[in-house]
Amino acid sequence: DADVTQTPRNRITKTGKRIMLECSQTKGHDRMYWYRQDPGLGLRLIYYSFDVKDINKGEISDGYSVSRQAQAKFSLSLESAIPNQTALYFCATSPGQGPGNTIYFGEGSWLTVV
Amino acid sequence: AQRVTQPEKLLSVFKGAPVELKCNYSYSGSPELFWYVQYSRQRLQLLLRHISRESIKGFTADLNKGETSFHLKKPFAQEEDSAMYYCALRKGGKLIFGQGTELSVKP
Repeated sequence: DADVTQTPRNRITKTGKRIMLECSQTKGHDRMYWYRQDPGLGLRLIYYSFDVKDINKGEISDGYSVSRQAQAKFSLSLESAIPNQTALYFCATSPGQGPGNTIYFGEGSWLTVV
Repeated sequence: AQRVTQPEKLLSVFKGAPVELKCNYSYSGSPELFWYVQYSRQRLQLLLRHISRESIKGFTADLNKGETSFHLKKPFAQEEDSAMYYCALRKGGKLIFGQGTELSVKP
């Protein structure tokens, strides 16, 4: 399922560098999300967007920013990367709030900050 | 506050044994609950949602509002079931995840 595509899939960066993770979707969904996954902590929501003009902070937004360039594109930036931002990052999309609407995930982006 | 708890980090069973992955939630309204599965750090895939009351890959999950639980069950585990399983609650259009349970099915 390549409907939700994340780039890069793997990246190693140095502390203090700015890094951008990009997400694009061909599902035509209005809602997009960024999560990070850490062992033992599950997935935690960083930012989410319900349409192009809507940006909301999630549970762990500090140190991150996002841009919703179009309905299909939602990018996540780490302004000054630090080692504890080393994680697996997932983008996700959803058509809306309706009962049973599913949230679909991308394949993830491995980020290592050294 | 809304919360999803999966008390077991790791569950190890033998092939053919029954499996139950526990999920408890706290939520003041009518919950919308899901189970997602992740194989070998790949993307998360939807396994079940309580609203559908379906069985996928032999797995079932029943919402118990009295016990605020949504446990995932399978009567006979297979090796290919080995994966990370996440229980999630949807509120306000966002998914709140539990910590995940790693299921290991041994031959």
